Amino acid sequence: GAGVSQSPSNKVTEKGKDVELRCDPISGHTALYWYRQSLGQGLEFLIYFQGNSAPDKSGLPSDRFSAERTGGSVSTLTIQRTQQEDSAVYLCASSLLAGLYEQYFGPGTRLTVT
Amino acid sequence: AQSVAQPEDQVNVAEGNPLTVKCTYSVSGNPYLFWYVQYPNRGLQFLLKYITGDNLVKGSYGFEAEFNKSQTSFHLKKPSALVSDSALYFCAVRDIATRNRDDKIIFGKGTRLHILP
Repeated sequence: GAGVSQSPSNKVTEKGKDVELRCDPISGHTALYWYRQSLGQGLEFLIYFQGNSAPDKSGLPSDRFSAERTGGSVSTLTIQRTQQEDSAVYLCASSLLAGLYEQYFGPGTRLTVT
Repeated sequence: AQSVAQPEDQVNVAEGNPLTVKCTYSVSGNPYLFWYVQYPNRGLQFLLKYITGDNLVKGSYGFEAEFNKSQTSFHLKKPSALVSDSALYFCAVRDIATRNRDDKIIFGKGTRLHILP
């Protein structure tokens, strides 16, 4: 079946512009995660959705970052007034149920802020 | 609070030799433990997990990991390394002691494995 998909695969934007990154999780997966990975580095947790529960936003680095998950499926990560330090690969993952099952990762969106 | 540590930023192993990538964890109860791999220019992939049962867990690509409760470790191992094993490896943990079943998984910072031909 289809895996986790993300769009766009690459995004170049000017400093100060807003960007939206999209994630389509695997059908039936109730948990959805966003991470950020700087070049070849570790994973930085951003936000996590589980079913209809309030999302865990504890990893969002500033109030310029927000995310939504509509209908328990597709998620959008929005970065307002982008800064150069926002440049990274943004990864989305989904799993059947948070914590119990392995996460399936999308290919990521490479964001470059010029 | 739960945490996971990968003490080595990089591990170099000659092809054909056994390899070990270290992971230690800290949780208040019993852990769920995971290993993931990220090959160059590819997405993260699940390798194996420990939930309960046998302490030695076998996973994809010939990898295995040993859960050691007394040492709070979950080291990744392979008996004979291949050049194609060169990648970035992440250990992850979830604390099943928490009553909130919506708890998230915490990832280590990653260990880069270089297999030398």
